[in-house]
Amino acid sequence: EVQLVESGGGLILPGESLRLSCTASGFTFNKNAMSWVRRAPGKGLEWVSLISGGDTTYYEDSVKGRFTISRDNSKSTLYLQMNTLRVEDTAVYYCARVSTHGRDGYNDYWGQGVLVSVSS
Amino acid sequence: DIQMTQSPSSLSVSVGDRVTITCRASQSITDYSNWYQHKPGRAPKLLIRAANVLANGVPSRFSGSGSGTEFTLTIDSVQLEDFATYYCQQTYSIPITFGQGTRLEIK
Repeated sequence: EVQLVESGGGLILPGESLRLSCTASGFTFNKNAMSWVRRAPGKGLEWVSLISGGDTTYYEDSVKGRFTISRDNSKSTLYLQMNTLRVEDTAVYYCARVSTHGRDGYNDYWGQGVLVSVSS
Repeated sequence: DIQMTQSPSSLSVSVGDRVTITCRASQSITDYSNWYQHKPGRAPKLLIRAANVLANGVPSRFSGSGSGTEFTLTIDSVQLEDFATYYCQQTYSIPITFGQGTRLEIK
């Protein structure tokens, strides 16, 4: 059974840093790209970042230069290093597995999410 | 960036009703459109991939259609467990984008 479990969230001051982790099980972790998606209070889902199986990374514009996605395949763990956090980064952050069928990509498994609250 | 415009933003229906949600892309995304269901406090759930392919384990009352710029999610005979928020997503190009969501409520 595929499982994704996020950790590392919490209450943090603006300008500070936080690292989220997502531990995966039930599949061969290094064969899939992985994503982070967030949902801010009262808003919809927003894609944040993606890392391919070959470690190519992509970011949404508002987090470029502040967030870094990475993975440790030996630990089946995905990370999101978040620096210079802003109030508007407050959200529940989800990690999600990316699967493909040909060139079509989709998020077929998601974690339960972890809350990041940025407030003074 | 490709914008995904979803409508309506909310929908009030009764159990047994047929529901259609629409998503319009700002440019052609061929069939690289997916649909998700999200309930409060739960992980989002993939319903439809590649515009019209039902994800594993999803009831057959859910269906998707469309290509290019217009996509629809249809729920035939809405059940109590279907009341949730629904999102379309495009994976044609980076940045990946979602529609703003459609909240399905009980009438």
